[in-house]
Amino acid sequence: TQLLEQSPQFLSIQEGENLTVYCNSSSVFSSLQWYRQEPGEGPVLLVTVVTGGEVKKLKRLTFQFGDARKDSSLHITAAQTGDTGLYLCAGAGDSNYQLIWGAGTKLIIKP
Amino acid sequence: DSGVTQTPKHLITATGQRVTLRCSPRSGDLSVYWYQQSLDQGLQFLIQYYNGEERAKGNILERFSAQQFPDLHSELNLSSLELGDSALYFCASSWGQGNSPLHFGNGTRLTVT
Repeated sequence: TQLLEQSPQFLSIQEGENLTVYCNSSSVFSSLQWYRQEPGEGPVLLVTVVTGGEVKKLKRLTFQFGDARKDSSLHITAAQTGDTGLYLCAGAGDSNYQLIWGAGTKLIIKP
Repeated sequence: DSGVTQTPKHLITATGQRVTLRCSPRSGDLSVYWYQQSLDQGLQFLIQYYNGEERAKGNILERFSAQQFPDLHSELNLSSLELGDSALYFCASSWGQGNSPLHFGNGTRLTVT
């Protein structure tokens, strides 16, 4: 059974600080997706990483896929209150029909 | 706007009752997925349909069932409801049946009293 572990589960920091969220597994994934979910809404796709070692940037957010395609990280620079939300990673694994989801990191950015 | 429409937005019902949640996928998407999310929890995959056929099953209870109709909209039926079924139920759609990125609706919040 493929599993994705996200850490930390909860993070509360001040506006302007930097942070990193991790998504780890002992299994290899063909690709990995990151979503952000705001209260009362459905998750929204932020990025998909496909190649081992790949780095993608989305404004202040930097996503990295591990060389072995078993882990990924999301780094936020100079966090803003608008970054508050639940960050979910989802991996494309053995099954062709469903993603493997992490439990999420709840991020709160305080003004 | 993801293009995925879920109705109703809120649903309050009593234990033992049956409810139906409805989902219209994004235009052009053939796959529909149903997820359950309890308070402060991650997403629990329930079931997936592709072009009208069931493709994958997750942690879906026997009291729950779903279908996808010829016009590609989907319904999730929850019966003999229990207090523990209170949760957010999300529908998502994608173009393919594989690991394509998902487009989520805004969910139906079910409260069982």
